[in-house]
Amino acid sequence: EVQLLESGGGLVQPGGSLRLSCAVSGFTFSNYAMHWVRQAPGKGLEWVSGTSGSGGGTYYADSVKGRFTISRDNSRSTLYLQMNSLRPEDTAVYYCAKDQGGNGYDSEGLDYWGQGTLVTVSS
Amino acid sequence: SYELTQPPSVSVSPGQTARITCSGDTLPKKYAYWYQQKSGQAPVLVISEDTKRPSGIPERFSGSSSGTMATLTISGAQVEDEADYYCYSTDSSGYYNVFGTGTKVTVL
Repeated sequence: EVQLLESGGGLVQPGGSLRLSCAVSGFTFSNYAMHWVRQAPGKGLEWVSGTSGSGGGTYYADSVKGRFTISRDNSRSTLYLQMNSLRPEDTAVYYCAKDQGGNGYDSEGLDYWGQGTLVTVSS
Repeated sequence: SYELTQPPSVSVSPGQTARITCSGDTLPKKYAYWYQQKSGQAPVLVISEDTKRPSGIPERFSGSSSGTMATLTISGAQVEDEADYYCYSTDSSGYYNVFGTGTKVTVL
């Protein structure tokens, strides 16, 4: 059974940092691209970042480029999102999701999702 | 930045057909994917690569694409299909992914 479990969310002040983790099981992690997707309260889905199966390719939405860093540890089957210089508009539920392909570019659709972790940026 | 445009809402009576459109400039060359999200839950993939229905998705869900528009059709909509629906695709470079603006489907 495929499982994705996010952790690391919480309350942080503007300008602060947070690191999200996503532990996965049930598939060969290194074979698949992975993504972070967020959803602000009452709003739609927003793709945040993606990485290829090897971790050699990383991709970011303009809204987070230069502030967020996606990475993965294939030996631990874990995906990460380092978030720096956080802003109130980064407040959202953050989901990790598995791509059906391995490249990271030309996404082949996200077939499995975690339940999400809430990040609140507020003073 | 690349955008995918959907109607904000669609209403349908039980047993009738609901159609949700997704408009984007690169859809002639890039696949569209469709997600269903019920309140408080993670999204679920209901259509892959424009027309493919993943295992476990009811046959009443179907997808099509023509030119710059992709369409999700729910034939014989049921009350449990009430949810937000999002399309998903990639820009022309393939490096930036985007979700559509979302459509709230009401079945009543």
